Amino acid sequence: EADIYQTPRYLVIGTGKKITLECSQTMGHDKMYWYQQDPGMELHLIHYSYGVNSTEKGDLSSESTVSRIRTEHFPLTLESARPSHTSQYLCASSEMKGAYEKLFFGSGTQLSVL
Amino acid sequence: DQQVKQNSPSLSVQEGRISILNCDYTNSMFDYFLWYKKYPAEGPTFLISISSIKDKNEDGRFTVFLNKSAKHLSLHIVPSQPGDSAVYFCAASFSGGGADGLTFGKGTHLIIQP
Repeated sequence: EADIYQTPRYLVIGTGKKITLECSQTMGHDKMYWYQQDPGMELHLIHYSYGVNSTEKGDLSSESTVSRIRTEHFPLTLESARPSHTSQYLCASSEMKGAYEKLFFGSGTQLSVL
Repeated sequence: DQQVKQNSPSLSVQEGRISILNCDYTNSMFDYFLWYKKYPAEGPTFLISISSIKDKNEDGRFTVFLNKSAKHLSLHIVPSQPGDSAVYFCAASFSGGGADGLTFGKGTHLIIQP
C-alpha cells in the first residue's frame, strides 16, 4: 500500500492568496510528480522531480512553483491564487517495476478559489 | 494532440455482467500500458498493467487485452460489482520510464447498476 500523503484534502480560499499544497511520501522514492485534474479530463503534468534539488516543469503551463529540499517532501506553491486555479491537485511518487514505472498517488487536494 | 484516447466518457453496466473499457493510443513507441482506478475526491490507484510484448494479462476479475497492430487495449471486469463504479484511466509508458512519467487518457466513468 502506498504511503503518500497530501494536505489539505479540501481548500477554499479567496483570490490573491498565497497557498502551499503539501505532499509527503515515506517510501524513499526519488521521482515525484504533481498533476492537475478536472472532471472528464486527463491528468495534466505540471511539475516533476528526479530527486533532491531537482525540479522540472511539465507539459501543462502552470503558475505554481515546487521545491524538493528533502526526498520525502514535495510541496507546491501558488503565489497568488485565481479562480482559474480551481482544480484537483494530485501528488505522486514512483518506482520502477522491472522495466515500467508505477505511480503511487496521494488522495489529492481539491482547491476552490473564489 | 492526445496520445492516449478513451473515447467513452461513461459506461453503464448491470451488476454481474462484464464491463469492457477501451483505450486507443497513437504512439507505437509505448512499451507499457497501465490502468488506474479513481474514486471521487481520491487519488488514482494502480489496477493492472501489460507489456507491449504480451497480448493479455489477468489479475482476478480484471483482464487487460492488447492489440498492438490496432494500437488498442481494453480492460475487462468480470463480474462487475458495485464497488467497481469509478473513473478508469488508461496510461502509457516507455520502457525504463519517460522523463515525465505516464501519459494518461481522459478516463471512462464506469457506473455499475444494481
